[in-house]
Amino acid sequence: DTGVSQDPRHKITKRGQNVTFRCDPISEHNRLYWYRQTLGQGPEFLTYFQNEAQLEKSRLLSDRFSAERPKGSFSTLEIQRTEQGDSAMYLCASSLASTEAFFGQGTRLTVV
Amino acid sequence: DAKTTQPPSMDCAEGRAANLPCNHSTISGNEYVYWYRQIHSQGPQYIIHGLKNNETNEMASLIITEDRKSSTLILPHATLRDTAVYYCIVRAGGALNSGYSTLTFGKGTMLLVSP
Repeated sequence: DTGVSQDPRHKITKRGQNVTFRCDPISEHNRLYWYRQTLGQGPEFLTYFQNEAQLEKSRLLSDRFSAERPKGSFSTLEIQRTEQGDSAMYLCASSLASTEAFFGQGTRLTVV
Repeated sequence: DAKTTQPPSMDCAEGRAANLPCNHSTISGNEYVYWYRQIHSQGPQYIIHGLKNNETNEMASLIITEDRKSSTLILPHATLRDTAVYYCIVRAGGALNSGYSTLTFGKGTMLLVSP
């Protein structure tokens, strides 16, 4: 499967714990995006990487959130001190330049 | 990026054509129209995009009006598996555009295909 891969698919965590998600983009895609989607809403942009550089962060990305793409390939999204409001689907997408972006299946986070 | 307006829901009978409208009256000259869909509990799936000419691929056809203020996504023979939320997005960029432009999703149109 050469699509965007996200791991884990589901994560249940207790409030206050840290969680980390991984995204493996389509090979050779230099652009990588993270989105968050809550129930009944469309995906909302969180952050964007071009190669290893994080070029834009949404105001939705609070200080508890950090994303990395250390070698310009896979990316991680970490949430520290999780809150119930962080419960959502976290989606990763990748693209080559400004062509169409392809999304992974997402990681569904539930904070209890 | 320009905003889009879509009906919240539509119904279609299996085997018939599904025509999903989208208004984007403030679209700029360098903005493309993109369509994605999202089947329940899955990530969004790219369908098609266009600038000003009509486009067709194996999934759908995209009809853009001459003034580019609206477009229609056509699924020629809808199946039950086409039941999904369909998002119309306008976005600057294209294959040769080195600039950056993210996808801004609205609430989309929930298409229900019935037997």
